[in-house]
Amino acid sequence: AQKVTQAQTEISVVEKEDVTLDCVYETRDTTYYLFWYKQPPSGELVFLIRRNSFDEQNEISGRYSWNFQKSTSSFNFTITASQVVDSAVYFCALSEALDSWGKLQFGAGTQVVVTP
Amino acid sequence: NAGVTQTPKFRILKIGQSMTLQCTQDMNHNYMYWYRQDPGMGLKLIYYSVGAGITDKGEVPNGYNVSRSTTEDFPLRLELAAPSQTSVYFCASSYGRGKGQPQHFGDGTRLSIL
Repeated sequence: AQKVTQAQTEISVVEKEDVTLDCVYETRDTTYYLFWYKQPPSGELVFLIRRNSFDEQNEISGRYSWNFQKSTSSFNFTITASQVVDSAVYFCALSEALDSWGKLQFGAGTQVVVTP
Repeated sequence: NAGVTQTPKFRILKIGQSMTLQCTQDMNHNYMYWYRQDPGMGLKLIYYSVGAGITDKGEVPNGYNVSRSTTEDFPLRLELAAPSQTSVYFCASSYGRGKGQPQHFGDGTRLSIL
């Protein structure tokens, strides 16, 4: 069963618009970790953020912000004032603590297209 | 500091051929992973290793083999290439000592089986 769901396949915005990427996860573990990775057109995977299940504080890093809500099993990602360089596929991923080896379970990804 | 290095970057194989995808990391990470990414999909785990001499299967191991003789290297072997193995392959590593360590990825190997 899919443990990480990114329902949005593609989001298109015009530069300077905000864009929010949804991520819903499923786990029975009480301790787990959530990640966001960025995959630009060049193809590499860039780590953006990690969150553990005990830290529900929202986080902001420049134009990026993350909203973690355990009550709805969601870990959403917002890009404020989007730029063309934000065009990429963004992946949400889950690592469960019961699995000691840190394996990541990825969502299918959301393609963000930012046009000038 | 090179991080995770994968070679080759691109390869075309004929059905039935064999090849090894190379992965090396210079961060002294204990944990290493191989994923495949099919078009429009997320990454799926093929094999992983938690240290030299220790490997285990992931979600999609069929048709692949791995070995881990050193901390630095984690090659992935395709024995009899099939069209279904056309994909982009990513190697990753993490420190591993604490849970939830982020994985660092190589740039990927784009493999086509014709």
